Amino acid sequence: DTEVTQTPKHLVMGMTNKKSLKCEQHMGHRAMYWYKQKAKKPPELMFVYSYEKLSINESVPSRFSPECPNSSLLNLHLHALQPEDSALYLCASSQASSGGARQFFGPGTRLTVL
Amino acid sequence: TQLLEQSPQFLSIQEGENLTVYCNSSSVFSSLQWYRQEPGEGPVLLVTVVTGGEVKKLKRLTFQFGDARKDSSLHITAAQPGDTGLYLCAGARGNEKLTFGTGTRLTIIP
Repeated sequence: DTEVTQTPKHLVMGMTNKKSLKCEQHMGHRAMYWYKQKAKKPPELMFVYSYEKLSINESVPSRFSPECPNSSLLNLHLHALQPEDSALYLCASSQASSGGARQFFGPGTRLTVL
Repeated sequence: TQLLEQSPQFLSIQEGENLTVYCNSSSVFSSLQWYRQEPGEGPVLLVTVVTGGEVKKLKRLTFQFGDARKDSSLHITAAQPGDTGLYLCAGARGNEKLTFGTGTRLTIIP
C-alpha cells in the first residue's frame, strides 16, 4: 500500500465553523506533512511531524491546529478561517523527515472558506 | 525567498514536439527531485538526482542535475497529451525541509 488518503476531498465552510481535515498512510512512514497550495502555485510547507511530534511549524496562524494521534494519522483542525485560506491542502508522508526523503502525497482537500 | 526558479512558467506545445524545463538556484542542493501534479491530485515523484552531472532517463523524460548541483533540467521527447500537468522541482539541503520550485505548467495540444 503506497497510498496517502485524505478526507474530505472537498470542503466548504463559513468563517465561524470548526472543521477537520484527515490524512492517513499505512506505509510505516514516520514523517508526515501538511502543505497549502494556492492555484497555479507550488505547495507551501505548513507543518512537519516526525515520530508523532511536531518538528516544524512554518509560522502558521493558530487558526490552523495540527494533530498526530498516531503514526498513521494526521489531522488539521480548522477554526475561524478567512476567505484567503481557501486552497488545496495536501498531506504527505516519508520514511524519514530528512529533506531528501521521497514524499508521497495525498490527493488533497480543496477547501473553500466563505 | 524563493530559492528555486523554474522556467518557463507556462508552456503549451503540440503533441510530438520536444521541450525542456529548467530549474535554477544560486544555492547548492544535496539532492533534487522532480514531481508532476495533475489537476485534482497531489504531486507524484518522477525522479531524484543526487550526483552533480547525473543524467537519468524515464522513458521519454530525461533529467539532468547540474555539475555544481545548483540547477537541473527536464527534457521531454515527443510530448504526449498525457504529459500535461504542473512540473515541480524540489531541492533538499541535508536535513532541511524540501524546497519546491516555482512550477512549470505544461499543456500538450493533441
